[in-house]
Amino acid sequence: GQNIDQPTEMTATEGAIVQINCTYQTSGFNGLFWYQQHAGEAPTFLSYNVLDGLEEKGRFSSFLSRSKGYSYLLLKELQMKDSASYLCAMGDSNYQLIWGAGTKLIIKP
Amino acid sequence: IAGITQAPTSQILAAGRRMTLRCTQDMRHNAMYWYRQDLGLGLRLIHYSNTAGTTGKGEVPDGYSVSRANTDDFPLTLASAVPSQTSVYFCASSTGTSGRGAVDEQFFGPGTRLTVL
Repeated sequence: GQNIDQPTEMTATEGAIVQINCTYQTSGFNGLFWYQQHAGEAPTFLSYNVLDGLEEKGRFSSFLSRSKGYSYLLLKELQMKDSASYLCAMGDSNYQLIWGAGTKLIIKP
Repeated sequence: IAGITQAPTSQILAAGRRMTLRCTQDMRHNAMYWYRQDLGLGLRLIHYSNTAGTTGKGEVPDGYSVSRANTDDFPLTLASAVPSQTSVYFCASSTGTSGRGAVDEQFFGPGTRLTVL
C-alpha cells in the first residue's frame, strides 16, 4: 500500500533551525513535494525532489533518500512568518500526489 | 484574473441540497484537480482531469461529480449534500506534462469552506 507520515506539530524558536521529517511507502515513486500552508490559505509550492540529495533554495532546503523512503525540509534562520503547516506529498505510480496530514510549525519569539 | 479562482468562498448548505463549487484557471493548464481537506487528514483527491473532455476518480469520489467542458473550468457538484461533506475544498491545476518519472507542481485556488447541516 501507500503511506506517508510526518509529525503532527513542532515548535521552534525564531532565528533557529528546524528539520521536518517525512517518511513514505509506495510501490511506484515519482518524486517528493513540500508545500507550505498558512492557516486559512491555500498550499503553496516550496520544493520538489525526484533524485537523492539536498536541494537548497534560500533559507529552505529539502533532502530525499529514495532507498530509505525519507525526506526532510530544513528551515534556517526561522522567522515568525514561517509559522504554518508544511505538507509532504509524494508522486505515485499514476503521477498523482499522495499527501501527508501536514506538520504544524509553531515559531516562538 | 491570474491563477485559479474558486467560488463561493464559503457556503452553509442544508443536507439534501444540490451544490456546485466553481473553479476557473487562466494559466492554460491541462490538468485540474479537486481536493478536500479535513482536520488531521491530508489533502484527499476527489476527482481530476488530465485534459479538457476527460475526468477521473480520485481517492474519495463518492457523492461528487465533475465535468471538464473546456480548459479553464472544472466545476464540482454535490448532488445531494450530506454532513460528512463538510470540509474545505481546494481546486488545483498543473501543466499536465507529468510523466517520465516526474510529477508537475500543482497550483491551488483559495478554497471553498462548505458546511452541510
